[in-house]
Amino acid sequence: GAVVSQHPSRVICKSGTSVKIECRSLDFQATTMFWYRQFPKQSLMLMATSNEGSKATYEQGVEKDKFLINHASLTLSTLTVTSAHPEDSSFYICSARLAYSTDTQYFGPGTRLTVL
Amino acid sequence: AQKITQTQPGMFVQEKEAVTLDCTYDTSDPSYGLFWYKQPSSGEMIFLIYQGSYDQQNATEGRYSLNFQKARKSANLVISASQLGDSAMYFCAMRVKGNNRLAFGKGNQVVVIP
Repeated sequence: GAVVSQHPSRVICKSGTSVKIECRSLDFQATTMFWYRQFPKQSLMLMATSNEGSKATYEQGVEKDKFLINHASLTLSTLTVTSAHPEDSSFYICSARLAYSTDTQYFGPGTRLTVL
Repeated sequence: AQKITQTQPGMFVQEKEAVTLDCTYDTSDPSYGLFWYKQPSSGEMIFLIYQGSYDQQNATEGRYSLNFQKARKSANLVISASQLGDSAMYFCAMRVKGNNRLAFGKGNQVVVIP
């Protein structure tokens, strides 16, 4: 149980385009999902907390207009990188929290974004 | 603010041997949870084990066990009988109750050699 999928796993896009990444909890409902960014050989950096039916909470320094988050249902959150630039190239990974237990976060397999 | 510290350099471990990964944390909140995740080269973060701050016993999950020393604020992960598939980055993380955030350490690189 507690499987989280992410799509796409890899994406290459041109500078200036927008890219949408989907995060789905496959076998449980997740009222809260999280989006992280990870640079090579570094730890995960929380970008935002996504709550179903409400606006996302962004971490300090993360541009909300650049990284649009939508949590339309209890099993789906999307991150859209708008007007992507090469510096947005990174590994983006989402997680979903299994509530009412140990609050463990289960992670998706990640999306590697390369902006040319 | 929560802080997680993992300072060990990359480690080489002989297959079938045990390895201990160090993790210390800092929080003033009495209620918190500690997590260990494994990240192989493929990138996915795999949940390994959880320890609650009020848990009386050290958590165990198969070959993984957590050496929880609350007074010293340490939560070391022990992997017994290492396998080649254990080669990965290992991250320690903490979540304080009432706070959504999961604070991660910088990770430990483990390479298991045959």
